[in-house]
Amino acid sequence: SQKIEQNSEALNIQEGKTATLTCNYTNYSPAYLQWYRQDPGRGPVFLLLIRENEKEKRKERLKVTFDTTLKQSLFHITASQPADSATYLCALHSGNTPLVFGKGTRLSVIA
Amino acid sequence: EADIYQTPRYLVIGTGKKITLECSQTMGHDKMYWYQQDPGMELHLIHYSYGVNSTEKGDLSSESTVSRIRTEHFPLTLESARPSHTSQYLCASSRWTSVVDTQYFGPGTRLTVL
Repeated sequence: SQKIEQNSEALNIQEGKTATLTCNYTNYSPAYLQWYRQDPGRGPVFLLLIRENEKEKRKERLKVTFDTTLKQSLFHITASQPADSATYLCALHSGNTPLVFGKGTRLSVIA
Repeated sequence: EADIYQTPRYLVIGTGKKITLECSQTMGHDKMYWYQQDPGMELHLIHYSYGVNSTEKGDLSSESTVSRIRTEHFPLTLESARPSHTSQYLCASSRWTSVVDTQYFGPGTRLTVL
């Protein structure tokens, strides 16, 4: 069955450092990979999308890579701030199938 | 901020009651979804719809039902609530015309069944 693994349940980093979150998947060939941010008690918010034929995507302090050979995506937040503390979810889909979400990684940026 | 609304935001109810969780969006999206999420756990898709009069069950077995009579409205109903239904319920929508399924989420309904 399809499986998505996000590297760790929680990640703590110092303010100003780069946070790197990992998303691995198995038994799946997604055409699209997305990253969402979820704050406690709220719904996820879309951040970035990357297609299978794209290696890297950037948006302000965010960067996403997508390696279909390794079946892995890396999500980077540079110059991290305490306001970046949240849970980050990766999600995959292809064609017209619904999104499949990972469990998420809870990021804490310490001032 | 996405134009998708859920009511109520919080609901505490006794076992055996019938409840309906409301979800409405004003973005004209054809696709709508219901997810269930326990604290610290992943999202589980329980129902989805690709348009009016279309409903499908998701990956997570659920005792709830949905209807899609209007594009903007996708209510979820529990005929007889049980403590095992205690969870957060999230509604989402996305465009049919886009191959990319970027979803916009509502604020959620936190349900507690006593």
